[in-house]
Amino acid sequence: DTGVSQNPRHKITKRGQNVTFRCDPISEHNRLYWYRQTLGQGPEFLTYFQNEAQLEKSRLLSDRFSAERPKGSFSTLEIQRTEQGDSAMYLCASSRRDRGPQGFFGPGTRLTVL
Amino acid sequence: EDQVTQSPEALRLQEGESSSLNCSYTVSGLRGLFWYRQDPGKGPEFLFTLYSAGEEKEKERLKATLTKKESFLHITAPKPEDSATYLCAVRSANQAGTALIFGKGTTLSVSS
Repeated sequence: DTGVSQNPRHKITKRGQNVTFRCDPISEHNRLYWYRQTLGQGPEFLTYFQNEAQLEKSRLLSDRFSAERPKGSFSTLEIQRTEQGDSAMYLCASSRRDRGPQGFFGPGTRLTVL
Repeated sequence: EDQVTQSPEALRLQEGESSSLNCSYTVSGLRGLFWYRQDPGKGPEFLFTLYSAGEEKEKERLKATLTKKESFLHITAPKPEDSATYLCAVRSANQAGTALIFGKGTTLSVSS
């Protein structure tokens, strides 16, 4: 396994700007998850894909957030009109269907909204 | 409401001083309890999954146990490289799919 990769690793933006993050899961992993983690807290679930289908979305995922996984491989998470409260670490994880939901996490993208 | 509480928030140990971390949970139908290790600036690293009361898993100096109300992560003779934040998460029958509910974690510091 080459591991889950995420880009960029760090993103600083001004309030009101749009940002997009990318996640490349481990190849052959058909499940992909996005979580958000703020300082001193555990990760909070945002959304889940099985192949290209988005099967779950958390109530945390406001309409400013959108996620895609167009070909069942990499995924993107876009935040429109960013707010200071969006500052967090955005984590991606992937797993094989027969391995349950525990997943292998990527290194995360640290977003800072000024 | 499904909930996960970890204690203590922070723990300082001397090298070789064994201890335990606690994860208390309230869920409607446990479908798995998960332990992760997280180093600063990195994503969580999967350690163990436990499914039923009485189950135990071991890996090197770590041993995880599960009861109907809580889980313990026992650390035997820790070394400085065991310093990290340890996260507990559960999957409950309330969750329609596969989402995990995480606790806030216990930050462990082991000094030599």
